[in-house]
Amino acid sequence: EPEVTQTPSHQVTQMGQEVILRCVPISNHLYFYWYRQILGQKVEFLVSFYNNEISEKSEIFDDQFSVERPDGSNFTLKIRSTKLEDSAMYFCATRTGLGEKLFFGSGTQLSVL
Amino acid sequence: RKEVEQDPGPFNVPEGATVAFNCTYSNSASQSFFWYRQDCRKEPKLLMSVYSSGNEDGRFTAQLNRASQYISLLIRDSKLSDSATYLCVVKGNNFNKFYFGSGTKLNVKP
Repeated sequence: EPEVTQTPSHQVTQMGQEVILRCVPISNHLYFYWYRQILGQKVEFLVSFYNNEISEKSEIFDDQFSVERPDGSNFTLKIRSTKLEDSAMYFCATRTGLGEKLFFGSGTQLSVL
Repeated sequence: RKEVEQDPGPFNVPEGATVAFNCTYSNSASQSFFWYRQDCRKEPKLLMSVYSSGNEDGRFTAQLNRASQYISLLIRDSKLSDSATYLCVVKGNNFNKFYFGSGTKLNVKP
C-alpha cells in the first residue's frame, strides 16, 4: 500500500526555536492535513490544505503555525517559536480527491524543552 | 458540546469475548463515518467505513443510526491483537474536515 512519509521521526528543540516538520504525500493525493496528538489525548485537527492553499484551520493553528508545499511534493508544517505545550506527535494525513480514507504518516514526535 | 464523543474505556475483555463501542456525534449534517484503530504511539489506521445500512468485515460490524446520531462498532471473538484504541471519526458537512473522537481503549486479555 502507498505510504505517507514524515521526517524527522523525532525532533527535540529548545523553547522559542523554529521547527519544520516534513511530509511527502502519496503522489495522486490532493488533500493534505496536519493533526497533532498530545500524549494520552485525542487526535486534534490543525489544518487542511488543498489546491495550494489552506482550506480550513483550527483554533490551535495560530500565527505561530504555517504550512506550505514549496516544491510540489513536500508538505511542511512550520512552528515559528515553539512553546512547551507544542510538545506532541504531529501526524500528516492525505487523501485523494474522491476518496474519504485518510492515509496517515507515522508521525513526528516533537519535544520542546 | 464536542463534535464526537466516545467512552474512553478501558474495556478489559477476555479472548473470545464480544465487545461493543459506541460513539455519538453532534452535527446532524455530518456526511461520512469511520472507525480507525490506533496502536500505542502509532498513527491511526482506517478499520472500516460506516454505512447507513450497516456493514460487516469479518469479526467487525459497524452500525450507523442517523436519527440518534450514533455509531457503533462490534468486535466478535476478540483476539489479543485487537488490543488498541478505537477512534470514531466523523466527516462534517464541510467536505474537508474530519473530526476525531478521543478514542476507546480495548485490552484483550488471555
